[in-house]
Amino acid sequence: QKEVEQDPGPLSVPEGAIVSLNCTYSNSAFQYFMWYRQYSRKGPELLMYTYSSGNKEDGRFTAQVDKSSKYISLFIRDSQPSDSATYLCAMSVGNEKLTFGTGTRLTIIP
Amino acid sequence: NAGVTQTPKFQVLKTGQSMTLQCAQDMNHNSMYWYRQDPGMGLRLIYYSASEGTTDKGEVPNGYNVSRLNKREFSLRLESAAPSQTSVYFCASSGSQAGQPQHFGDGTRLSIL
Repeated sequence: QKEVEQDPGPLSVPEGAIVSLNCTYSNSAFQYFMWYRQYSRKGPELLMYTYSSGNKEDGRFTAQVDKSSKYISLFIRDSQPSDSATYLCAMSVGNEKLTFGTGTRLTIIP
Repeated sequence: NAGVTQTPKFQVLKTGQSMTLQCAQDMNHNSMYWYRQDPGMGLRLIYYSASEGTTDKGEVPNGYNVSRLNKREFSLRLESAAPSQTSVYFCASSGSQAGQPQHFGDGTRLSIL
């Protein structure tokens, strides 16, 4: 079993819809949680960064961490075609290393 | 505004050839990383360097060597390329505080024939 599980999709939603992306993990020592967005033929770009449990909002994006359930989510409101990308979750226990999910490919249909 | 710069962007090699992938960051980060990304496998850590002068193996180090040339630069070398090393290679850097996010370059697409 992988430490971090992420549904690879693909996920297609109409423009304007709310998108929910999720990861589950098994290591209860993870404390730092990140979401990266990766466009085709580009490197991962940091989107959201949270520490411990709770919610964090940045514009149309909300990151949610539930440590009791070992579950993290990224919500995208009013989705746009420019949000079409692969979304990677990543986690750290607090050292140099990140553990990544395999990514969910998202397409927003105009 | 460069961040992490990787060269080259694309390369085709023949089996057995050697090659060095270059990475430089201008964010004054202590830590640097090399990953490979393959379909269905996600990002896998090859080597990392927590500070200038130190390097450590990651999840998939076999067939690779690294050099932390100075604080800015971290290179990855394939001594004798194999088709299994066909992949997209990403370099990343981060600050040294606990749990710092990593910042990535745009990758090198490497094909081994």
